[in-house]
Amino acid sequence: QKEVEQDPGPLSVPEGAIVSLNCTYSNSAFQYFMWYRQYSRKGPELLMYTYSSGNKEDGRFTAQVDKSSKYISLFIRDSQPSDSATYLCAMKRSQAGTALIFGKGTTLSVSS
Amino acid sequence: GAVVSQHPSRVICKSGTSVKIECRSLDFQATTMFWYRQFPKKSLMLMATSNEGSKATYEQGVEKDKFLINHASLTLSTLTVTSAHPEDSSFYICSARGSGLAGVGEQYFGPGTRLTVT
Repeated sequence: QKEVEQDPGPLSVPEGAIVSLNCTYSNSAFQYFMWYRQYSRKGPELLMYTYSSGNKEDGRFTAQVDKSSKYISLFIRDSQPSDSATYLCAMKRSQAGTALIFGKGTTLSVSS
Repeated sequence: GAVVSQHPSRVICKSGTSVKIECRSLDFQATTMFWYRQFPKKSLMLMATSNEGSKATYEQGVEKDKFLINHASLTLSTLTVTSAHPEDSSFYICSARGSGLAGVGEQYFGPGTRLTVT
């Protein structure tokens, strides 16, 4: 079993839809959870960063972490064509040390 | 936010030659830099971690003599692919982490370098 599992999609939705992206993980030591957005042929851009369980909201984006289920989600409200990108979840054990472990990424396409 | 640049953005080289990729943190001091490799429709795979002034720590399976990493200053790290072969063709991405950045030590990624070896 891989440490981080993420459905690669592709996921296609119409403009204005609510998008739900998810990752599961197997290592209970992970404490820090991130979502990155990557446009084609570009480097990943940090979208959301959460510590431990709970919700975090930033504009149209909401990140949820359920450590008991080892499950994290990213919700995008009122999706826009500019949200079309690959979304990567990532996680790590401690704040300063250890490397990020990435999911494969989910490709999202929002049509106008 | 913190900005990381990479140069070049694209490079095509002949088999057997060496290629150097630069990664710079533009507005912060990067105590740690990471080098990743990404294949199409695949996740980022960490190749090595480097701390300023120290030798890089390579992930299992990554040849340190083939992928030379230098982190000589707090704003610059270089990755040199030596004796490149077509199977080295990939998207190489660096990231940088500086102490005190948002207080939580996130990594900020560069835009990536597309290497094609013919």
